[in-house]
Amino acid sequence: DIQMTQSPSSVSASVGDRVTITCRASQGIRNDLGWYQQKPGKAPKRLIYAASSLQSGVPSRFSGSGSGTEFTLTISSLQPEDFATYFCLQHNGYPRTFGQGTKVDIK
Amino acid sequence: DVQLVESGGGLVQPGGSLRLSCAASGFTFSRYWMTWFRQPPGKGLEWVANIKHDGSEDYYLDSVKGRFTISRDNAKSSLYLQMNRLRAEDTAVYYCASRPTIDGFDVWGQGAMVIVSS
Repeated sequence: DIQMTQSPSSVSASVGDRVTITCRASQGIRNDLGWYQQKPGKAPKRLIYAASSLQSGVPSRFSGSGSGTEFTLTISSLQPEDFATYFCLQHNGYPRTFGQGTKVDIK
Repeated sequence: DVQLVESGGGLVQPGGSLRLSCAASGFTFSRYWMTWFRQPPGKGLEWVANIKHDGSEDYYLDSVKGRFTISRDNAKSSLYLQMNRLRAEDTAVYYCASRPTIDGFDVWGQGAMVIVSS
C-alpha cells in the first residue's frame, strides 16, 4: 500500500496568515494527488487535482505543488471560511489512501 | 445541478446486511467511474471501492473484500453498495463520489450514516 504522511496534524493560524501543508508518499505517485477541505458534518470538497490544478470555483489563494513523493498545499492568505480540516488523497495505486488530515484552527 | 444523493443508511446488528444507494443527476453518469468512501466518527477518510463506468471492473479495500459489493445501474443513474457480514468497525458515514482522477470532474454525495451495533 502507498502510505501518505501528512504534516502538520494541526496548525493554529490567524486570518491573513500563509499556511503550508505537506503530504509525502511512500513511493512515487506522479501527480496523482488531490487536496480536499472538509468542514464538520459536511462532505469533503476537492480544492486541487492533479497535484497543482485549481478546482473550478475554488479561490486562487489555494495552490498545490509537487510531483513524485512530495506535495504541498498552500493557503496564501487565510480567510475565516478556511478554518477546516484538509486531507490529501493519492489515486495512483490501490488501495487509494488519504493523509491523516490537518486541522486548521483559529489562533 | 450536478448531484449525488445517498440513501439506505441506518442501524444494523453485527453480522447483518445493508444496501446503500446513490442517485446521480445533472451529469452523464454512465461515462464515469464511481467510488465509495467512508469516515468513521471522529476519524479520517477511507477509500472503500471503485467501479468502472460500465461495471466491468471493480476494486475493494482489503478489509471489505468478500463482504461488500459495489454495483451500478446506468439506466437508473444509480450506484449501490451491498454490505454483508457487517462489523462494528464498519460504522461510518459512507459517501459516494466520482472517482478521483487528474481531470477536473468531482462530485460527492452528502453521506449516509451506517451504525453497526447490538
